[in-house]
Amino acid sequence: KNEVEQSPQNLTAQEGEFITINCSYSVGISALHWLQQHPGGGIVSLFMLSSGKKKHGRLIATINIQEKHSSLHITASHPRDSAVYICAVCVQGAQKLVFGQGTRLTINP
Amino acid sequence: DAGVIQSPRHEVTEMGQEVTLRCKPISGHDYLFWYRQTMMRGLELLIYFNNNVPIDDSGMPEDRFSAKMPNASFSTLKIQPSEPRDSAVYFCASNPQGHFYEQYFGPGTRLTVT
Repeated sequence: KNEVEQSPQNLTAQEGEFITINCSYSVGISALHWLQQHPGGGIVSLFMLSSGKKKHGRLIATINIQEKHSSLHITASHPRDSAVYICAVCVQGAQKLVFGQGTRLTINP
Repeated sequence: DAGVIQSPRHEVTEMGQEVTLRCKPISGHDYLFWYRQTMMRGLELLIYFNNNVPIDDSGMPEDRFSAKMPNASFSTLKIQPSEPRDSAVYFCASNPQGHFYEQYFGPGTRLTVT
């Protein structure tokens, strides 16, 4: 079993829908990252979380340390949000990032 | 700032050849990371440096891989000899505070070994 599991693996939705991508992990962590990989391959860091909730524009990331779970939400989704979203955790004591397999999101107009 | 710069963007080579990938981190960033991305394994950390010193190279797959950071503005990842299973996209990233800070990724080098 992978240390970081994302769900769903693929998600297709219509423009305007509320999107939720989930990340569960099985190890103790000191931080969790959400990354966005564009269709062209470039990777952008969206959030780094160690507790609670962060918001940036239409993106919201939450983390529940006790439940070892994080969610990435997109409100009012748009075709330009189509990308692969990757969750990565900083393993406590190991000082290294472990990545989930990614969620491929497609937003249709 | 121009962001993290990687070269080449694409590399096609034959099995057995030496491959050198290059990275210039963002000025002032003390941490530099090398990652590999494949369809089968996703993103994996290969090695990271702090102040030009390798801190964790446990992700380097085998002795054919080596990485250096001779100064704060340049790092190389070398594969010698290359094998078809090394085909992947190799990303370099940098940041000022390690894993507790957002990562700034370069555009990646797509390596194909035939």
